[in-house]
Amino acid sequence: AQTVTQSQPEMSVQEAETVTLSCTYDTSESDYYLFWYKQPPSRQMILVIRQEAYKQQNATENRFSVNFQKAAKSFSLKISDSQLGDAAMYFCAYRRRGGGSNYKLTFGKGTLLTVNP
Amino acid sequence: KAGVTQTPRYLIKTRGQQVTLSCSPISGHRSVSWYQQTPGQGLQFLFEYFSETQRNKGNFPGRFSGRQFSNSRSEMNVSTLELGDSALYLCASSLKEGVWTEAFFGQGTRLTVV
Repeated sequence: AQTVTQSQPEMSVQEAETVTLSCTYDTSESDYYLFWYKQPPSRQMILVIRQEAYKQQNATENRFSVNFQKAAKSFSLKISDSQLGDAAMYFCAYRRRGGGSNYKLTFGKGTLLTVNP
Repeated sequence: KAGVTQTPRYLIKTRGQQVTLSCSPISGHRSVSWYQQTPGQGLQFLFEYFSETQRNKGNFPGRFSGRQFSNSRSEMNVSTLELGDSALYLCASSLKEGVWTEAFFGQGTRLTVV
């Protein structure tokens, strides 16, 4: 079974600074997707960024980028120029690719990010 | 473009009762998945539906069930409610025109069992 581990229950960052959230995962699959989701107090889970395992290039979305190390099974999220609106719970998630209609997401426990003004 | 809609947003039930939660996916999406979120267990997969068929099921007791209608809307039902069923229930939709998309989530239904 796949597992996702987020070792940082809480993190804090000063506004405009950079912060990195860690995630490791365990899988025997070779082809899969990895995601970072953000859940603000409104409870809506919002996709921040996604990475296909077959792509060696790290994904980037504006101020958000990942460091994907497939051999190490590591998938960290870097938030640059942090803003107050980035404060939320961040979840790392895994989904296998292909294999019928198995669209189950496996989530880590989450990292609560606080942004200090 | 309308997002995933879950109703109701909040629900208070008594132990032993049953409850039905509803999820309307994004237009064109055909896969609906349900997750339970609690402070202790985090996000746990309940089940996934596609073309009115349950395709995948998480490790939950038989009190948890669901279904999907021909318009892709889904309901989940919990019978004989227990205090431990208090949680945020999230629904996610994906898969449009045979192409898997990332999962889009609704705002959830907060269920409190007293």
